[in-house]
Amino acid sequence: DTGVSQNPRHKITKRGQNVTFRCDPISEHNRLYWYRQTLGQGPEFLTYFQNEAQLEKSRLLSDRFSAERPKGSFSTLEIQRTEQGDSAMYLCASSGVGGSPLHFGNGTRLTVT
Amino acid sequence: AQSVTQPDIHITVSEGASLELRCNYSYGATPYLFWYVQSPGQGLQLLLKYFSGDTLVQGIKGFEAEFKRSQSSFNLRKPSVHWSDAAEYFCAAHGTSGTYKYIFGTGTRLKVLA
Repeated sequence: DTGVSQNPRHKITKRGQNVTFRCDPISEHNRLYWYRQTLGQGPEFLTYFQNEAQLEKSRLLSDRFSAERPKGSFSTLEIQRTEQGDSAMYLCASSGVGGSPLHFGNGTRLTVT
Repeated sequence: AQSVTQPDIHITVSEGASLELRCNYSYGATPYLFWYVQSPGQGLQLLLKYFSGDTLVQGIKGFEAEFKRSQSSFNLRKPSVHWSDAAEYFCAAHGTSGTYKYIFGTGTRLKVLA
């Protein structure tokens, strides 16, 4: 169990640019989740996958956000035309089934200037 | 709508004192319940979980939590707080049917006085 890995750890980008983050979950976990966390707030659900299928996406998520998990292993989260309001910590987590706890990565901190 | 509420944004206790952090949930059926801790600059670490059975759950670092169905609560406790417990604590819930997303509370920031 090598844990959940996220890259990059930090990303600074200019408003209007596209960014992509990667998450490698724990290998035996078939569920993968993306959350966003801003200062002083709890993790906010964005989307989750079971294997390669994206089963739920937050209604708060604009069309500028897209996530993929092409082979049911790693996942990418892309934000197009970034805005300053997108600045946050983006967390990835994975779990088994049946209410297993989430295992989190250390996150990718995005700063949009 | 499903929700998790942590009524206390900040709590300050003296080292060695007891601690209780409150968590209330709103779900149609009893969800799976979790407590996580996040230290500055660190990822979220699982402290304990409740699925069913014994309503008093033991976790890591000397923490425990009690599930009370009648109050829709899952409060976290520690008999004697250490300075290293200063962190942010999050309660989370996961439904047993339908959506499988985990919903987090807004967190309680714990400060420990020496």
